[in-house]
Amino acid sequence: EAQVTQNPRYLITVTGKKLTVTCSQNMNHEYMSWYRQDPGLGLRQIYYSMNVEVTDKGDVPEGYKVSRKEKRNFPLILESPSPNQTSLYFCASSTGTTNNEQFFGPGTRLTVL
Amino acid sequence: EDQVTQSPEALRLQEGESSSLNCSYTVSGLRGLFWYRQDPGKGPEFLFTLYSAGEEKEKERLKATLTKKESFLHITAPKPEDSATYLCAVQGSSYKLIFGSGTRLLVRP
Repeated sequence: EAQVTQNPRYLITVTGKKLTVTCSQNMNHEYMSWYRQDPGLGLRQIYYSMNVEVTDKGDVPEGYKVSRKEKRNFPLILESPSPNQTSLYFCASSTGTTNNEQFFGPGTRLTVL
Repeated sequence: EDQVTQSPEALRLQEGESSSLNCSYTVSGLRGLFWYRQDPGKGPEFLFTLYSAGEEKEKERLKATLTKKESFLHITAPKPEDSATYLCAVQGSSYKLIFGSGTRLLVRP
């Protein structure tokens, strides 16, 4: 089954404790992306990757890191999480950079205390 | 700066009552405008891509149209299962995607 998986689905952590949210897709997609979704603000793109070893900043990259060492995986790293990073996070992938029929993962709800 | 504004924020319809959702945008070098549907607690689900002014796409009770400044999502004779949040996004000359804050649609039986 074609899908985007994210882990963990729910996470409660404390300020400053490094964490990684994994994202994996099994569709051989080139384009992958991370978003955060907050009430009233909609979906905001954090980082995106057009292919292996190619990443670029979205609209809200501060406080986040990403890497794309393999085509299928695109982890999101919060090296020193803060309470303002409490949010619902989505990973997405698509076949190309302009054909943006993006497939979204189920979401990761992160709470930083 | 690329920007997307959706209206209304929320819309309540009776089953069968047709209506339209609006997505106004400003973008440098439009590569595409996208519509997604999002159900509570789930990731967005792709509906349409529109690439140039005048283009239209249809899927069941939904029809999306595009002009140089806005897009409309027309919902004809909606059913309760059409209740969801509808998201509009644009991609400009960079490869970033900019989303609007969405329209929450409730269709009552």
